[in-house]
Amino acid sequence: GAVVSQHPSWVICKSGTSVKIECRSLDFQATTMFWYRQFPKQSLMLMATSNEGSKATYEQGVEKDKFLINHASLTLSTLTVTSAHPEDSSFYICSATPGTGGNQPQHFGDGTRLSIL
Amino acid sequence: GENVEQHPSTLSVQEGDSAVIKCTYSDSASNYFPWYKQELGKRPQLIIDIRSNVGEKKDQRIAVTLNKTAKHFSLHITETQPEDSAVYFCVAGGTSYGKLTFGQGTILTVHP
Repeated sequence: GAVVSQHPSWVICKSGTSVKIECRSLDFQATTMFWYRQFPKQSLMLMATSNEGSKATYEQGVEKDKFLINHASLTLSTLTVTSAHPEDSSFYICSATPGTGGNQPQHFGDGTRLSIL
Repeated sequence: GENVEQHPSTLSVQEGDSAVIKCTYSDSASNYFPWYKQELGKRPQLIIDIRSNVGEKKDQRIAVTLNKTAKHFSLHITETQPEDSAVYFCVAGGTSYGKLTFGQGTILTVHP
């Protein structure tokens, strides 16, 4: 149980393109999902907290107009990288947890490797 | 906000030896401390977690300890095997909505 699916797994696109990444909880409902970015040989950095039915909460230094988050249902959150540039190339990964409360295990998607040419 | 420091950044051991990774955190409100293992290009996988009402937890070859007073927690892997080679992350969380703060990671290499 507690499976998180992320799609697509790999994207290569031209500079200036917008890219949408989907994160789905397959067998549980998630009122909160998290989006991380991971550069090569570095740790996971939280970008934003996605809240079902309300605005996302962005971490300091993350441009909310650049990284649009929509959490329209209890099983789906999307991250759209708008007008992507080469510096946005990274590994993007989402996580979610069943239940409420902050001390429950989080389950990660497989990640999306984004390459901007 | 929370800050998690992890050491060492790389750790090389011989098969069968033990490996220890240590972390400190800054936010005394944190009460959940999971450890994740990440293989190259893959998702982080939870290997063990500990909550602040517990000082130590063990699962087969893996054990974690937590010292809330000192804000230290550590991972111990005994009888290491080559398949234990990966990047390990210590994490602090348990506050608002499950937000997690990751340490910098430790690249563990177990030589046969």
